[in-house]
Order: sequence, then structure tokens, then C-alpha cells
Amino acid sequence: GAVVSQHPSWVICKSGTSVKIECRSLDFQATTMFWYRQFPKQSLMLMATSNEGSKATYEQGVEKDKFLINHASLTLSTLTVTSAHPEDSSFYICSARQGWEETQYFGPGTRLLVL
Amino acid sequence: ELKVEQNPLFLSMQEGKNYTIYCNYSTTSDRLYWYRQDPGKSLESLFVLLSNGAVKQEGRLMASLDTKARLSTLHITAAVHDLSATYFCAVDRPSGGGADGLTFGKGTHLIIQP
Repeated sequence: GAVVSQHPSWVICKSGTSVKIECRSLDFQATTMFWYRQFPKQSLMLMATSNEGSKATYEQGVEKDKFLINHASLTLSTLTVTSAHPEDSSFYICSARQGWEETQYFGPGTRLLVL
Repeated sequence: ELKVEQNPLFLSMQEGKNYTIYCNYSTTSDRLYWYRQDPGKSLESLFVLLSNGAVKQEGRLMASLDTKARLSTLHITAAVHDLSATYFCAVDRPSGGGADGLTFGKGTHLIIQP
């Protein structure tokens, strides 16, 4: 199957700082990538849909000014958590779909801890 | 609003037994997915079900889809300890087109005891 990578795999930061997470499709081009968030013992919740060359589409309740998404190329999307606070601590997972009939392939996730 | 409900949410079973996880969803959707998540890990794709009546099998797992009933099942046959994990079903958003993300069920935490 297709491979999606994320970097970093985990990050610890101080409250008020910004953190950038990269999501890459390694062996295919993805016009659309997705960002999810998973709190402990909960399910995944879609945060936003990232489209190459255009603005991201955010889910209701997700602050677009806080979670900045850039999809600069067909293989790279970035999520920047600006002015992170402890409540932003979570497991952030990106995904990409290779083709219409394909499943979404998920990256390994980035665990964020904000102190 | 699309809702996806799984049951049971927690399941403890013995090796060698059979069991079924159910996934109901509230609105028409083109596709249904099953994923596995191990503790501390991301999601591993198990099945993509694309049409009514679709059935797919991989090893001891078999998934089926009934779009009329808006129901999918994940059946485990002769369970083994290695299948212990959390299983999620997910559905494409109603607007479809492949450009929307997934709505997930809450997950079924499966423990298989020797």
C-alpha cells in the first residue's frame, strides 16, 4: 500500500510556542490530505481537509487561525499549531488518498505534549 | 449530521471463539472502511467496502456491507491473541467526491485472552 510519513513523531513544547508537523506521501501524489486529532481513549476527529494549491477546509469548531495548514505540493502538507496550550496536547494524524477507490492511508501520527 | 455507531465498544473474548463487531451509520454513504489501531500507533487499513453486498476477507477477519440497512459487520473467526487491538469503522462524508474526510465510530477495544 501507499506510504504516508509524518515528522516529527513526537514533540514536547512550552505553552505559547508554535509547532509545525509535516505530512508526506512518499510514493504517490495526493491532491487532498486530511488532518485528524485523537485524544486519549477517543476516536479520530477530522480537523481539516488540505487541498494542494488552495485554502484548507476546516471542520466546525476548529480554529483556522490556530491550526494553520499549508499544502504546498502534491506530496507535502503541514499543520502548524500556533500558540500551543496544554489543551492542544493530542495525537495528530494525517492521511492521504491515492485514488478514488482507494482507502485513506494514515501517517504514523505525531504526539504533541504542551507543557 | 453523519453519525457512525459501533458496538460493542469493548469486547473481551477467548482465543478460538468467533465474534462480530457492528457498525451502523446514519446517512447514505458510498464507502465504508475498517481500520485497526494498536496502542500508541496510527491506523492500519483493513478493508474498503465499496458497494452493497460487498464482502471482503483477510485471514481471520471478514467484513461485509449492507448499504440499505446502513450496516457493516466485522467478523472475527477463531480469534487469536494477535488480533487484540482497537477496531474502527469509518464512513465517507455524505457529499462524497473523495475530497472529504472520514467520520469514525468510537472504536471497539478488543482483548483476546489465551
